[in-house]
Amino acid sequence: DARVTQTPRDKVTEMGQEVTMRCQPILGHNTVFWYRQTMMQGLELLAYFRNRAPLDDSGMPKDRFSAEMPDATLATLKIQPSEPRDSAVYFCASGPGLAGGPGTDTQYFGPGTRLTVL
Amino acid sequence: AQSVTQLDSQVPVFEEAPVELRCNYSSSVSVYLFWYVQYPNQGLQLLLKYLSGSTLVKGINGFEAEFNKSQTSFHLRKPSVHISDTAEYFCAVVSRGGNKLTFGTGTQLKVEL
Repeated sequence: DARVTQTPRDKVTEMGQEVTMRCQPILGHNTVFWYRQTMMQGLELLAYFRNRAPLDDSGMPKDRFSAEMPDATLATLKIQPSEPRDSAVYFCASGPGLAGGPGTDTQYFGPGTRLTVL
Repeated sequence: AQSVTQLDSQVPVFEEAPVELRCNYSSSVSVYLFWYVQYPNQGLQLLLKYLSGSTLVKGINGFEAEFNKSQTSFHLRKPSVHISDTAEYFCAVVSRGGNKLTFGTGTQLKVEL
């Protein structure tokens, strides 16, 4: 049963520290998404990759957030320096990249990383 | 740009009763529509999606949704709910040719005995 995996599942850190979240997309999927979920804002798209290339990161605060895909099996989201307002659950999702276009894709979500910045 | 409105933040319902979760969208172009479910402490899981064709879409766990273009709605229904359906349900939209899902704020379905 193929699944998206995310590590760590929970992270508590202090303001100013660097945070790295990792995601392993489902093997063979060529699209990867990073979302942030908070009570106030709901689900927000932070970044989107296709074939490891970043296509859209307009939802991400550029000064402190960065997203990369070093290879097809790993996506990372870094926050440096972290702030209390970054506390949220961060989800990674991957999609197979159907012929109908990315809009038709089912996105398969990981279990999320719950980040608490004190 | 597109947007999604889920008017009901919480819907309590008794087990074996029918339920409808409402979703309305706004877009200047044609769209694809999705319903995702999120169980506690888990990621989202696709329930069903409308891409084209029949406006009545059947999904997993006995759920179905009907696309109504004139009403710009995509309401989710189930004729008889179970305790295990307790979860948060998200409606989402993407414009055709686009790649960014826009999610609604979610509806918490609470099934009671």
